[in-house]
Amino acid sequence: QKEVEQNSGPLSVPEGAIASLNCTYSDRGSQSFFWYRQYSGKSPELIMFIYSNGDKEDGRFTAQLNKASQYVSLLIRDSQPSDSATYLCAVKYSGYALNFGKGTSLLVTP
Amino acid sequence: EAGVVQSPRYKIIEKKQPVAFWCNPISGHNTLYWYLQNLGQGPELLIRYENEEAVDDSQLPKDRFSAERLKGVDSTLKIQPAELGDSAVYLCASSLSGTGGMNTEAFFGQGTRLTVV
Repeated sequence: QKEVEQNSGPLSVPEGAIASLNCTYSDRGSQSFFWYRQYSGKSPELIMFIYSNGDKEDGRFTAQLNKASQYVSLLIRDSQPSDSATYLCAVKYSGYALNFGKGTSLLVTP
Repeated sequence: EAGVVQSPRYKIIEKKQPVAFWCNPISGHNTLYWYLQNLGQGPELLIRYENEEAVDDSQLPKDRFSAERLKGVDSTLKIQPAELGDSAVYLCASSLSGTGGMNTEAFFGQGTRLTVV
């Protein structure tokens, strides 16, 4: 069973702070890694994807991948109350479907 | 460009009744997924299509669930008969490629919230 693990939270950060969301996965053969944001009652929305080791930045978001440690993270700088949502980590294994973690609930407090 | 379109958005049915969900993926996307999401959980795969072929349906409860993707575009997911435990959100997603590596970003439709009473 290919596992994707996330801390369910809630993770609470003050407005303007950096939110750090973490995800570990079990299969070293995984190739693609994704972060989705899901507001309550809405469908998942793709925020970032990363394929190679290292950092990838997009605006206030940075995805970090360490394949040796089987670890992927999402940093949100200058967190805003509108960032409050559940963040889903998803991992793509070659020949398999996108496999999701259970999500981490983020609460940004004003 | 239109995103993934699903219908209906909401459905309430009595147990033992049939129900069907429809999905139209993003134009040109070869891979189509049906996921089920329970409250507080991440999406769980039901079935994945590469064009018209179902390549991963190991999690689909085949005694009551069926799916099809005729002509490799639209897809329909059916439950017959529905049970109380089927109440969940059914999500459809599509991507350019499903084989791994690049172009595997999946985009979701708005989902169908099913309530079985």
